[in-house]
Amino acid sequence: QVQLQQWGAGLLKPSETLSLTCAVYGGSFSGYYWTWIRQSPGKGLEWIGDINHSGRTNYNPSLKSRVTISIDTSKNQFSLKLNSGTAADTAVYYCARGIRGVIITYHYSYMDVWGKGATVTVSS
Amino acid sequence: SSELTQDPAVSVALGQTVRITCQGDSLRSYYVSWYQQKPGQAPVVVIYGKNNRPSGIPDRFSGSSSRDTASLTITGSQAEDEADYYCSSRDSSGNHVVFGGGTKLTVL
Repeated sequence: QVQLQQWGAGLLKPSETLSLTCAVYGGSFSGYYWTWIRQSPGKGLEWIGDINHSGRTNYNPSLKSRVTISIDTSKNQFSLKLNSGTAADTAVYYCARGIRGVIITYHYSYMDVWGKGATVTVSS
Repeated sequence: SSELTQDPAVSVALGQTVRITCQGDSLRSYYVSWYQQKPGQAPVVVIYGKNNRPSGIPDRFSGSSSRDTASLTITGSQAEDEADYYCSSRDSSGNHVVFGGGTKLTVL
């Protein structure tokens, strides 16, 4: 059974860089899109971006200038860095395993395994 | 702003059927997935693809779609179904994932 365990600094000052890592246990690392999602207090889910095992990334256009997602296949880990943090980046950050495919002409994608979430607060 | 639109809140009487909808142009080309999130917990996928339920999801959950609107139907709602529900799909470019704003389901 695949499990995702995530960790990182929980309290940052404005302008500092948010850094989180997610380790994948119990499953293959290839063939999936390793994903970061966040949820601001009382708000909905926001996709940050993803990376495949080859290192190809996709980022949310609204965050692209500040985000870097990287992967370490030797450790079955992937990481998120979000620089120039502001209070608006205060959120619970989730890592997740993404699956994509095609059925006839319809494309599908979903996240089937999620980490427990890590709370990050940006405050002076 | 989200490219997928959901009603903010829906209520259903215990044991009755409820439909939660998600509307967006990208749904004409991309299947939607549905996530259930209870307070303090990570989301859980309940429907993906055309109408697929992951192992462990009760068969009272089903999905459907027509043109630019997808629906999550809960047939015979239970108290434990009270949660926030989010739809998700690809955006019109196909490169990015988008979420709807979420629907808070109350079971009366």
